[in-house]
Amino acid sequence: AQKVTQAQTEISVVEKEDVTLDCVYETRDTTYYLFWYKQPPSGELVFLIRRNSFDEQNEISGRYSWNFQKSTSSFNFTITASQVVDSAVYFCALSLYNQGGKLIFGQGTELSVKP
Amino acid sequence: DTGVSQDPRHKITKRGQNVTFRCDPISEHNRLYWYRQTLGQGPEFLTYFQNEAQLEKSRLLSDRFSAERPKGSFSTLEIQRTEQGDSAMYLCASSLGRQEKLFFGSGTQLSVL
Repeated sequence: AQKVTQAQTEISVVEKEDVTLDCVYETRDTTYYLFWYKQPPSGELVFLIRRNSFDEQNEISGRYSWNFQKSTSSFNFTITASQVVDSAVYFCALSLYNQGGKLIFGQGTELSVKP
Repeated sequence: DTGVSQDPRHKITKRGQNVTFRCDPISEHNRLYWYRQTLGQGPEFLTYFQNEAQLEKSRLLSDRFSAERPKGSFSTLEIQRTEQGDSAMYLCASSLGRQEKLFFGSGTQLSVL
C-alpha cells in the first residue's frame, strides 16, 4: 500500500528563519511522482512542485528548495528566509504512474510564520 | 483567469437531505477529480473522470454518493440521505492529462446538522 507521512503537524517560526518540512513516502512501485501543495486559509490547494522518481536532482525556486532522496524515501521542502505570507498548510503527495494521476496526500504541516 | 470553480462554497443541510455540488474544470482539461477533506487531514481521493467516463471510485464513495460528468465538461457530486459523517470540504480538481499537475478549486464546505 502507498502512504505519505508528514510527521510535523504544526511548525511555528519567526519571520526570516529557515524552515524545513519533512515528507516520507512508501511505495513498492518504481515509477511515481511526488508533489508539494500549499493550502492557504482561503482553502484552495496551490501546486508548488512535481518530481518524478527518476529525477533525484534537488530543485530551487526562489526561496523554496526541495530535497529528494530515494534512499530514505524522503522529499523534504525548505523555505529560506520565511515570510508571514508563507503561513499555510503544506501537503506532500504521491502519485503512481499506473493509477491515473490520483494523489495520495499526507496529513499536512501547518506552518505559522510570525512577524 | 478561469480556474476550477465550485458551487456552492458552503452548504448547510439537515441529516437525511440530499445535496448536489457542481464543479467546472479548466476548459481544456480532460481529467476531473473529486476529493474529500476533513479538518486536520489531507484530501482523500473519491473518484475521477477522463472526459465523461468515470474511471475509478474509492471505497470511501458509498452507494449514497454519485458523480457524473455529462459531455465531459462540468461535473456534479450528489450525496443522498446525508449523514453527519459526510460533513467535510469537497474539493474538485482538473488536469490536462495523466500525471500532469492537478489544479484545485476552492471547495464546497458541507455541514450536516
